[in-house]
Amino acid sequence: GQNIDQPTEMTATEGAIVQINCTYQTSGFNGLFWYQQHAGEAPTFLSYNVLDGLEEKGRFSSFLSRSKGYSYLLLKELQMKDSASYLCAVSARPGGGNKLTFGTGTQLKVEL
Amino acid sequence: GAVVSQHPSWVICKSGTSVKIECRSLDFQATTMFWYRQFPKQSLMLMATSNEGSKATYEQGVEKDKFLINHASLTLSTLTVTSAHPEDSSFYICSARGTGYTATNEKLFFGSGTQLSVL
Repeated sequence: GQNIDQPTEMTATEGAIVQINCTYQTSGFNGLFWYQQHAGEAPTFLSYNVLDGLEEKGRFSSFLSRSKGYSYLLLKELQMKDSASYLCAVSARPGGGNKLTFGTGTQLKVEL
Repeated sequence: GAVVSQHPSWVICKSGTSVKIECRSLDFQATTMFWYRQFPKQSLMLMATSNEGSKATYEQGVEKDKFLINHASLTLSTLTVTSAHPEDSSFYICSARGTGYTATNEKLFFGSGTQLSVL
């Protein structure tokens, strides 16, 4: 099976930078996703990494190291609306079929 | 981007009744749909994978006779919670992966979710 770990909660200040880490163990790795989810809503796609390195998209960046089984999501210039749960999800194909498994999510609280 | 419509958004039902949740891909053909369940302050747990025209593949611990999945067409998958009980109360979310998306970019498109409350 897959094992995905990320911190349960984080708190940061408006305007600051925050890094949310995710470690995983899996076979048949086929990519790592980050999703944002507000309470009572469906997840929204933030980023996708399949190769090592940093992917930047506006205020959000995501990094992947496949050899270390490690990823992080970097949020810059934090805004109050960024308060949400951030889900790390690993795509893998154990036994041939692609499957997306989610971590438990990191609840980010942005304060003034 | 691709749109997935999920209906209903919320439902309240009595214990013992069955509830059907629909998931439709509006502007693409969804060869594979996934059904997730999410309890409060927990992550999404994959329940089953549904492929058009074939039987769904259920994750370990998910009762296939209780959670009936039908993927009869390339745009519609349904999840029926049979004989629902209070412990089935949860947030159910579908997601779809369509034709035209390569294996190197397995981005899923999510429905808006269904909050089920069983009294």
